[in-house]
Amino acid sequence: DVKVTQSSRYLVKRTGEKVFLECVQDMDHENMFWYRQDPGLGLRLIYFSYDVKMKEKGDIPEGYSVSREKKERFSLILESASTNQTSMYLCASTPPSGRRGETQYFGPGTRLLVL
Amino acid sequence: SQKIEQNSEALNIQEGKTATLTCNYTNYSPAYLQWYRQDPGRGPVFLLLIRENEKEKRKERLKVTFDTTLKQSLFHITASQPADSATYLCALVWYGGSQGNLIFGKGTKLSVKP
Repeated sequence: DVKVTQSSRYLVKRTGEKVFLECVQDMDHENMFWYRQDPGLGLRLIYFSYDVKMKEKGDIPEGYSVSREKKERFSLILESASTNQTSMYLCASTPPSGRRGETQYFGPGTRLLVL
Repeated sequence: SQKIEQNSEALNIQEGKTATLTCNYTNYSPAYLQWYRQDPGRGPVFLLLIRENEKEKRKERLKVTFDTTLKQSLFHITASQPADSATYLCALVWYGGSQGNLIFGKGTKLSVKP
């Protein structure tokens, strides 16, 4: 079974803090994604990566950056957390077909609260 | 731009009945549609995928249809059970570049009452 894990289930941070969200997958997937999910807005893509050290902006990249130093690990960074970044953050990966549209395997999510 | 809509935010049905969820899209014809289940506080879990050249797909009590003329996919759960209560997301995939594109609907929250 594919396993996607996220470093924290719940996180509370203060405005202005730098926040790191970690995601690890154990199935040698090439593509990895970061989404945020908000009530009424659904899932929105922040960034994705199709290879080590490669990254592409999604639909809402502002205020975020990412890092992919190893194939199995994809990190989301909030450079200076703001209250409007309070959300559920979901990491996903897809099998090594090189295409974004493959079946997405999601992690359990990190619920981030920025005070 | 491509848009995807799940018509109902919430659907309440009685146990044993068939639940039918709707997913509509505009603009580009998708390569395929995916359906996911999401339980509260959890990540979505993939259920079914249907390609543009397929009319229907089944998996146990689940059935998905795809009508490219109506630009619509229907997701059916037959003999529904309280354990089927969850939010169901559809996702539309289309190709217009090397990496493809995927967007999710906002989801329909299904409640199955005993």
